[in-house]
Amino acid sequence: SQELEQSPQSLIVQEGKNLTINCTSSKTLYGLYWYKQKYGEGLIFLMMLQKGGEEKSHEKITAKLDEKKQQSSLHITASQPSHAGIYLCGGGTSYGKLTFGQGTILTVHP
Amino acid sequence: NAGVTQTPKFRVLKTGQSMTLLCAQDMNHEYMYWYRQDPGMGLRLIHYSVGEGTTAKGEVPDGYNVSRLKKQNFLLGLESAAPSQTSVYFCASSTGNSPLHFGNGTRLTVT
Repeated sequence: SQELEQSPQSLIVQEGKNLTINCTSSKTLYGLYWYKQKYGEGLIFLMMLQKGGEEKSHEKITAKLDEKKQQSSLHITASQPSHAGIYLCGGGTSYGKLTFGQGTILTVHP
Repeated sequence: NAGVTQTPKFRVLKTGQSMTLLCAQDMNHEYMYWYRQDPGMGLRLIHYSVGEGTTAKGEVPDGYNVSRLKKQNFLLGLESAAPSQTSVYFCASSTGNSPLHFGNGTRLTVT
């Protein structure tokens, strides 16, 4: 099993709908990263959260890290087909060690 | 400004053959990582390094070895390739307090 668990594993939404992806760790995280990947391509950095309770937004995407630094959520408002892809959360659980969740596959239907 | 460069981009091996994947970064990053990506499994950490001359095991280190003789390079070796090692391999680097910079990946097939 992986140290970070993401849910759901896949998500299909209609364009315009809001959605949330969750990322949970059994250990306190040094930092939490969200990345997006298009099929067969590299990873695109979205956001980094380091402090408990921190929240960041970029365009229609908002990411939050809970106070205990063990759970994060990624929320997309008014989804568009361009948001489709694989979303990955990554986190540091011990010095230098950075692991990722299994990913969430997002499909947005026009 | 190349960032993180992985070579080769594609490789096909026969079971039992050996090979080395090279990762090079030009950002003077201390931390470097090797991940593998398989369908439905996200990214799994193979080995990582927190500085020149250091390496540490990740989540799935068996069957792989690594070396970090120079700060800018992180090599991933497969001594005796197995079909279970068919995957896409990603290298990444960071300062330790910054986002990871990823390479474009190496697609390895072991037949």
